[in-house]
Amino acid sequence: EAQVTQNPRYLITVTGKKLTVTCSQNMNHEYMSWYRQDPGLGLRQIYYSMNVEVTDKGDVPEGYKVSRKEKRNFPLILESPSPNQTSLYFCASSPRTGLDYTFGSGTRLTVV
Amino acid sequence: AQSVTQLDSQVPVFEEAPVELRCNYSSSVSVYLFWYVQYPNQGLQLLLKYLSGSTLVKGINGFEAEFNKSQTSFHLRKPSVHISDTAEYFCAVSDHGGATNKLIFGTGTLLAVQP
Repeated sequence: EAQVTQNPRYLITVTGKKLTVTCSQNMNHEYMSWYRQDPGLGLRQIYYSMNVEVTDKGDVPEGYKVSRKEKRNFPLILESPSPNQTSLYFCASSPRTGLDYTFGSGTRLTVV
Repeated sequence: AQSVTQLDSQVPVFEEAPVELRCNYSSSVSVYLFWYVQYPNQGLQLLLKYLSGSTLVKGINGFEAEFNKSQTSFHLRKPSVHISDTAEYFCAVSDHGGATNKLIFGTGTLLAVQP
């Protein structure tokens, strides 16, 4: 089954403790992206990657890092999480055309 | 810069009534337009998309949307809603042939279907 898999689904952590949210896709898509969803703000892009070793900032990149060492994986790293990063996070992938996005099931992160 | 406006944050409607969820976009270039649905505690599912051609687009679950270039709108409609349609709906736009494939989302409309 074609899918984007995120882990974990739920995470509660403390301020300053580094964490990684994993994202993996099995569709051989070139393009991958991370979004955060906040009430009243919709989804905002954090980082994206057009292909292996090619990443760039989205609209809200502060406090996040990403890497794209393999085509299928695109982890989101929070080096020093803060409470304002409490949010629902989605990973997405699409072919180069950008016409067919597949979203993961989401990761609900709480930073206390 | 592109932007998407969903004017209604919440739309209450009775079961079997028709519904329209409004979406307006701003862009100086050709765009692709999408509607996604998010059921409670779930991810995003594509309802329908407009790429080119016919301005009336039919999607899953009986939804349809009409692309209106002159009004820069892409409103979503369903002639008769069910309780199971209760969800949040997001309109999104992407550059036609843009370099980043970025989807820009609206702030969402919560459709609340009441019995």
